Amino acid sequence: KAGVTQTPRYLIKTRGQQVTLSCSPISGHRSVSWYQQTPGQGLQFLFEYFSETQRNKGNFPGRFSGRQFSNSRSEMNVSTLELGDSALYLCASSWSGDGAYEQYFGPGTRLTVT
Amino acid sequence: AQSVTQLDSHVSVSEGTPVLLRCNYSSSYSPSLFWYVQHPNKGLQLLLKYTSAATLVKGINGFEAEFKKSETSFHLTKPSAHMSDAAEYFCVVRSYSGAGSYQLTFGKGTKLSVIP
Repeated sequence: KAGVTQTPRYLIKTRGQQVTLSCSPISGHRSVSWYQQTPGQGLQFLFEYFSETQRNKGNFPGRFSGRQFSNSRSEMNVSTLELGDSALYLCASSWSGDGAYEQYFGPGTRLTVT
Repeated sequence: AQSVTQLDSHVSVSEGTPVLLRCNYSSSYSPSLFWYVQHPNKGLQLLLKYTSAATLVKGINGFEAEFKKSETSFHLTKPSAHMSDAAEYFCVVRSYSGAGSYQLTFGKGTKLSVIP
């Protein structure tokens, strides 16, 4: 079974621009969660999507948004990029997101904002 | 609110010696706890999980962890370190966020170095 894939793997953007990151979950997984990883803040939860609905959201500004498609693929969008948005963005998928589930992580997209 | 404290930001061991990575958690109810490993430029891989079954949990690659409720600890151990164990390790607590959603809260991570 193929793992979680994220595209692109690396991205360089300029302040003020916007960016869209993509995540394809493991086949059959319906829950997709997004995390931001930085040296200073560590790993922080952004949001979770399940069956095309945002089910949970972390403490991030509205510039961070996402969506999920009917095939469970998910995109994350960051508008008006700031230097502090430079991070590794990780996507994780799980079968249902409830009970004793496991999250499987993708390799991440490294975003650099200049 | 759930929280996780990894007591060491960096641990260095010699190859063949035991590994101990310490983790304390805070939870208002019986938690689910995980250890994940992250190798350089890679995503996170689940090492093991505790979900209120046996308190001693065995994971992949010879790692195990013991859940101690009285000490609110979930330390990760391995009897003999291998060079390939060099990576960053994250202790994680899962909490219920409502509407059927669960959220993972990560510790700050412990970087393990293995000296040949």
